[in-house]
Amino acid sequence: AQSVTQLGSHVSVSEGALVLLRCNYSSSVPPYLFWYVQYPNQGLQLLLKYTTGATLVKGINGFEAEFKKSETSFHLTKPSAHMSDAAEYFCAVSEWAGNQFYFGTGTSLTVIP
Amino acid sequence: NAGVTQTPKFQVLKTGQSMTLQCAQDMNHEYMSWYRQDPGMGLRLIHYSVGAGITDQGEVPNGYNVSRSTTEDFPLRLLSAAPSQTSVYFCASRGRVDNSPLHFGNGTRLTVT
Repeated sequence: AQSVTQLGSHVSVSEGALVLLRCNYSSSVPPYLFWYVQYPNQGLQLLLKYTTGATLVKGINGFEAEFKKSETSFHLTKPSAHMSDAAEYFCAVSEWAGNQFYFGTGTSLTVIP
Repeated sequence: NAGVTQTPKFQVLKTGQSMTLQCAQDMNHEYMSWYRQDPGMGLRLIHYSVGAGITDQGEVPNGYNVSRSTTEDFPLRLLSAAPSQTSVYFCASRGRVDNSPLHFGNGTRLTVT
């Protein structure tokens, strides 16, 4: 089974600062990779998904993720944080032809005015 | 476009009671799944289904039953509720394409006293 590690359960950034949320996966074969965002009392919404062959994936709300096979990482970034970015972020992986998604434990992002 | 609909949104049960959490999707997705979300543990898969009449266990299936009689519906049954089942439950579905993301409902917050 896959494992997904999100370093830092809580991240605080100032408004306008760079957002960097880390995600590492365990498989030597690159799985399908996703980032989700969860606002309070809501379900998870897709931010972006990895597309085979791409190293930089663009998502909604100005977020991007960089795929690094050598580091088995799929870190999420946004150049300039906005107050509305405060939420919980989850990295998820799904194996080729697999039926299960594996989620990280989440990173809570706080944006300081 | 309703997507994934979960009912109820909130529920309080006494220990030993049974109940069914409802999930319906209108996207003609063959794959449906149930997760529970607990603080610090991310999302854990309870049961999933790859089509009508087919179900399988996930990571934490004990105490829960599912059935899939139609493509649209995937109810989750708690047979005899326990305080350890206090959690937020999410239903999610996905399409057939390998890198299809999961689409989530808004969740059911269950408290067992």
